[in-house]
Amino acid sequence: SQTIHQWPATLVQPVGSPLSLECTVEGTSNPNLYWYRQAAGRGLQLLFYSVGIGQISSEVPQNLSASRPQDRQFILSSKKLLLSDSGFYLCAWSVLGRGRLGSEAFFGQGTRLTVV
Amino acid sequence: QKEVEQNSGPLSVPEGAIASLNCTYSDRGSQSFFWYRQYSGKSPELIMSIYSNGDKEDGRFTAQLNKASQYVSLLIRDSQPSDSATYLCAVKSDSNYQLIWGAGTKLIIKP
Repeated sequence: SQTIHQWPATLVQPVGSPLSLECTVEGTSNPNLYWYRQAAGRGLQLLFYSVGIGQISSEVPQNLSASRPQDRQFILSSKKLLLSDSGFYLCAWSVLGRGRLGSEAFFGQGTRLTVV
Repeated sequence: QKEVEQNSGPLSVPEGAIASLNCTYSDRGSQSFFWYRQYSGKSPELIMSIYSNGDKEDGRFTAQLNKASQYVSLLIRDSQPSDSATYLCAVKSDSNYQLIWGAGTKLIIKP
């Protein structure tokens, strides 16, 4: 069965410090991978998605970047965190393709990031 | 701009009653529809998916889809306090890789 691992679960970082969040998927090949951010009491904001190694699409211009160095690894990074980067970061995977039914997304446990 | 709309709530329902959650979407090309449950501080978990007009039942949950009216709903029968959570509606069109998310409805089941 497929599983998704995301770490760390919580993180407190000072303003201006770097960030690296990692997500790995097991039990599937060539998944589509996503990074979302969720502000308190708000919906999911798609930050990045990737349909393959080295292929990253950015949805929201901001202080963050993403990389996919391996098929089942997705990394979210920042060189200098801002206070506004605080939130709940979620990694997700799916096997969806264009025109295909199904394609639900499955989430990691999330990382609660507080920038102080 | 493709949108998915949900009433933010909170929706308060007595224990044992039917909870009805609604979601409307703007993209007529949408083909796949999902309901996720998210407990406070946790990640969303998939509870129902539906692709065809009509009803789909799974235990106490029933998803209803009406593509002509562009809405999808979730009914929870015999509501339990453990059903208290935020319910997110997600919609996928056949033209891209992304799910479009509603902001969620907070459901409170009162014992």
